[in-house]
Amino acid sequence: AQRVTQPEKLLSVFKGAPVELKCNYSYSGSPELFWYVQYSRQRLQLLLRHISRESIKGFTADLNKGETSFHLKKPFAQEEDSAMYYCALRAEYGGSQGNLIFGKGTKLSVKP
Amino acid sequence: KAGVTQTPRYLIKTRGQQVTLSCSPISGHRSVSWYQQTPGQGLQFLFEYFSETQRNKGNFPGRFSGRQFSNSRSEMNVSTLELGDSALYLCASSLIAGVGTDTQYFGPGTRLTVL
Repeated sequence: AQRVTQPEKLLSVFKGAPVELKCNYSYSGSPELFWYVQYSRQRLQLLLRHISRESIKGFTADLNKGETSFHLKKPFAQEEDSAMYYCALRAEYGGSQGNLIFGKGTKLSVKP
Repeated sequence: KAGVTQTPRYLIKTRGQQVTLSCSPISGHRSVSWYQQTPGQGLQFLFEYFSETQRNKGNFPGRFSGRQFSNSRSEMNVSTLELGDSALYLCASSLIAGVGTDTQYFGPGTRLTVL
């Protein structure tokens, strides 16, 4: 079964500390993974995707197929990083890419 | 370019009623997906429409239905509302369907409360 697990509901760190948001997935094929972020009173928006191998707002995420993980990392957290973070897997449908399967989300709180 | 818009933003209904939610995708986007977000289950996929055809459907009862119009606007309908249908309903649009590199852009959601 296709599944995304985010083991931490809440992660609290101090400003300037490193942060790692964990994401594990279960998928038989070649996965396409994303991190979405939802800031307070804003809509859900794409943060980054593994295929792009990019760094957005200082965040990076590496796909580890051996460990079936796609953890989100940032070396120095900022207060404005406080938000809800969702890891998502794009499922296959009819031989092509289909809908997103989301984890339950991790609320990141960065304290001053 | 205007983002995805959803109407209404808030809705209160009673059990047994039906409700229709509307989603206008970003101009030029032809694929619209719907998700239900609840505190217990998180974000769950409802269905996806592309070129007025339902392309994919999640694991929801038949009370949940949708459609897409020729201008790519989409509506979802929930009949015989139950208390458990209280949720935030999110719509997302993308240029096309079935392409892994395509980004989904989300609307602000419609908050449905069933009393």
